[in-house]
Amino acid sequence: DIQMSQSPSTLSASVGDRVTITCRASQSVGSWLAWYQQKPGRAPKLLIYKASSLESGVPSRFSGSGSGTEFTLTISSLQPDDFATYYCQQYHSYGTFGQGTKVEMK
Amino acid sequence: EVQLVESGGGLVKPGGSLRLSCAASGFTFRSYSMNWVRQAPGKGLEWVSSISSSSSYVLEADSVKGRFTVSRDNTKNSLYLQMNSLRAEDTAVYFCARDRIVGATLEAFDLWGQGTMVTVSS
Repeated sequence: DIQMSQSPSTLSASVGDRVTITCRASQSVGSWLAWYQQKPGRAPKLLIYKASSLESGVPSRFSGSGSGTEFTLTISSLQPDDFATYYCQQYHSYGTFGQGTKVEMK
Repeated sequence: EVQLVESGGGLVKPGGSLRLSCAASGFTFRSYSMNWVRQAPGKGLEWVSSISSSSSYVLEADSVKGRFTVSRDNTKNSLYLQMNSLRAEDTAVYFCARDRIVGATLEAFDLWGQGTMVTVSS
């Protein structure tokens, strides 16, 4: 089974900061990688699919990159609405999620 | 409105059974593969199971294999998860989610329900 790991687990940042989250796969998943945002008590929301494609309606400050085993999610200028937990998910083989990265206010 | 609504959660004793339902509306349900994802209290997301649009393929996580069964009824626009031999570690919010692309085999999940809570406790 493919394992996914995210770093960091928690990230403290301020509004306007550039934020980068890393996701690593235990084996190549090609570009079959998605990023989700989840707020407490809510369902996850798809941000990025196929590693770098922005889901419709998602602000352009979110971007994804990478392929194979290493991927990044970048928020170019953190906004108040962006404080949340972010998950990567590979869908090359089944649908394994990373353990999540909580972006909190510094 | 395009939406998914889960139901059927509740409190069940270890070893018991429960059947979750997910009602779809606002889109052509029969064209999409569907999925179940769960989230234990305070924990991350865990993919549970996937079923293709015509039920021709089913995938299950090792943690639920042999105990959980996913199914769908395209005439009723509904997805189901039959959960047997429940354990304390199955306690979680269970979400149903739609594949992003019509007819895809494995895809990102672009539409999610609000979730239904399952608690396994004596």
